[in-house]
Amino acid sequence: TQLLEQSPQFLSIQEGENLTVYCNSSSVFSSLQWYRQEPGEGPVLLVTVVTGGEVKKLKRLTFQFGDARKDSSLHITAAQPGDTGLYLCAGAGVGTDKLIFGTGTRLQVFP
Amino acid sequence: GAVVSQHPSWVICKSGTSVKIECRSLDFQATTMFWYRQFPKQSLMLMATSNEGSKATYEQGVEKDKFLINHASLTLSTLTVTSAHPEDSSFYICSATRTSGRGDTQYFGPGTRLTVL
Repeated sequence: TQLLEQSPQFLSIQEGENLTVYCNSSSVFSSLQWYRQEPGEGPVLLVTVVTGGEVKKLKRLTFQFGDARKDSSLHITAAQPGDTGLYLCAGAGVGTDKLIFGTGTRLQVFP
Repeated sequence: GAVVSQHPSWVICKSGTSVKIECRSLDFQATTMFWYRQFPKQSLMLMATSNEGSKATYEQGVEKDKFLINHASLTLSTLTVTSAHPEDSSFYICSATRTSGRGDTQYFGPGTRLTVL
């Protein structure tokens, strides 16, 4: 069974701080997505990374896919209260479009 | 952008009744849709893959006779929770796969909160 472990599970920080969320697995993924989910809503796609070592930037968010395509990280610079939410990584196995979701990281940014 | 809707957004039912949840891709066709379940404070767990024109594929531990899935068209999949019990109370989320030149991307619906009394 493929598992995606995210760390930390919870993160509570002040506005303006930087943070990094990690997504780790022992399995190789053909692609990895990062989502943000607000309470009572479905996940919203932030980014998809497909190449080992790939780095993508989305404003203050920087996503990196590990060289071996087993892990990924999300770095947020100068966090804002609007960044508050549940961050989920999800990997697609090789040869399948099924997504395996990570354990989730709940971020709270205080003004 | 790709839009996926779910109906209803929430439902409360009595134990023993059946509940149907619809998932629609509004502006694209999806041969594959997925159904997930999310318990409070937890991540999404894949329940089944819904394939248009064929039987759904269920994940290990998911009862196919309890969670009936029908992919009636390229824009509609339904999940019916049969003889629902309180332990089935959860947030059910569907996703639809959109194929483009950049590959396949899953777009998620807003979810359906099921409460079984």
